[in-house]
Amino acid sequence: DIVMTQSPDSLAVSLGERATINCKSSQSVLYSSNNKNFLAWYQQKPGQPPKLLIYWASTRESGVPDRFSGSGSGTDFTLTISSLQAEDVAVYYCQQYYNTPQTFGPGTKVDIK
Amino acid sequence: QVQLVQSGAEVKKPGASVKVSCKASGYTFTSYGISWVRQAPGQGLEWMGWISIYNGNTNYAQKLQGRVTMTTDTSTSTAYMELRSLRSDDTAVYYCARGGQYYPTRWFDSWGQGTLVTVSS
Repeated sequence: DIVMTQSPDSLAVSLGERATINCKSSQSVLYSSNNKNFLAWYQQKPGQPPKLLIYWASTRESGVPDRFSGSGSGTDFTLTISSLQAEDVAVYYCQQYYNTPQTFGPGTKVDIK
Repeated sequence: QVQLVQSGAEVKKPGASVKVSCKASGYTFTSYGISWVRQAPGQGLEWMGWISIYNGNTNYAQKLQGRVTMTTDTSTSTAYMELRSLRSDDTAVYYCARGGQYYPTRWFDSWGQGTLVTVSS
């Protein structure tokens, strides 16, 4: 199984400041035949299901604010919230869908400082 | 708009079975697959398996093989997940999520609201 790790476990950022979350996979999730990274990011607020933010490591889902961006390739990925808003308080998960079982990172909790 | 609506909360005794439903609307049901993901209280997300609505192919997480069955009813656009021989560590919120049509290797762009399954004697 591909093991996903995230850092930090939690972070507190001032409103309007940048938040950066890292995700690492135990093996590459870059598929050579299409040069795409099989990596997604989700946001989960308390009592709600996860919400898709990013897929193919850097493609923003329709309707997701452009302050959310994804980057990285191979085994190392980053989710950046460029200017944290109050509604961004949540837990963020990365997920690999390169193979099965699909696996998620343990989550990073983002709070307001 | 795309919607996945799940059945209500369940309380089961150890050793029993549970069957959770997920009714889809707002899109062509056979054009996507359905994955099931569970989340134990205060914990992270665990992928349980996937079913192709198109051809009925399934792919289950190895740790659940033999205890889980995923099925669909295309006449009602509903997917089902049955988990047998329930244990206390199966207590979790169970989510259905829209995924790949032919293969499970796709992101989840729409999720059900979740079904809490509590296993307790």
